[in-house]
Amino acid sequence: QSALTQPPSASGSPGQSVAISCTGTSSDIGGYNYVSWYQQHPGKAPKIIIHEVSKRSSGVPDRFSGSKSGNTASLTVSGLQAEDEADYFCSSYAGSNIFVFGTGTTVTVL
Amino acid sequence: EVQLVDSGGGLVQSGGSLRLSCEASGFSFNNYYMRWVRQSPGKGLEWVATIKEDGSEEYYRDSVRGRFTISRDNAKSSLYLQMNSLRVDDTAVYYCARASNYASDHWGQGTLVTVSS
Repeated sequence: QSALTQPPSASGSPGQSVAISCTGTSSDIGGYNYVSWYQQHPGKAPKIIIHEVSKRSSGVPDRFSGSKSGNTASLTVSGLQAEDEADYFCSSYAGSNIFVFGTGTTVTVL
Repeated sequence: EVQLVDSGGGLVQSGGSLRLSCEASGFSFNNYYMRWVRQSPGKGLEWVATIKEDGSEEYYRDSVRGRFTISRDNAKSSLYLQMNSLRVDDTAVYYCARASNYASDHWGQGTLVTVSS
């Protein structure tokens, strides 16, 4: 039940794109198409953005997109806006009803 | 509107016990797996436990198995987490979350558990 690896930080100017990676193993990300992504603003509960690798949750702008290749998943935020400044966490199913989360990435809008 | 309201957190000494509750509304509670997820201060998220729709199956992370018990009362649309033999490293904000599509699609506001030595 080791955490998935994310870069601690990422940044971009308004209107630019930022991509966040999430690296796991063949026992979690590589083994299942059940990667999800969450956005968390300071002092708030996480909010789901993406489920099942690339499906946007209801109400999430299409500026957010998800993908996966091998043991690594990615979240891309296009057309960065000020309100996108937050922490982002990935998560993956790891079999036997076990879930693992990523270490988290803080996105800064410059 | 789906709502999850967490409660029951507080300050407890190492070795003590605490029971968390999560009151659900706005959806058919008995149709969903439910989870507890925690977040240590300034750190990442950590899955804690999951319970099946009818309460017949429970799943735990290794570090809490045997100390924590997840349960539910579908008649009251409520989820619980009984935490015994608490350790300092159990200190965290605990969130209940609704499980859907192998993700957690709605979250409570969280309740803070602080374990002192």
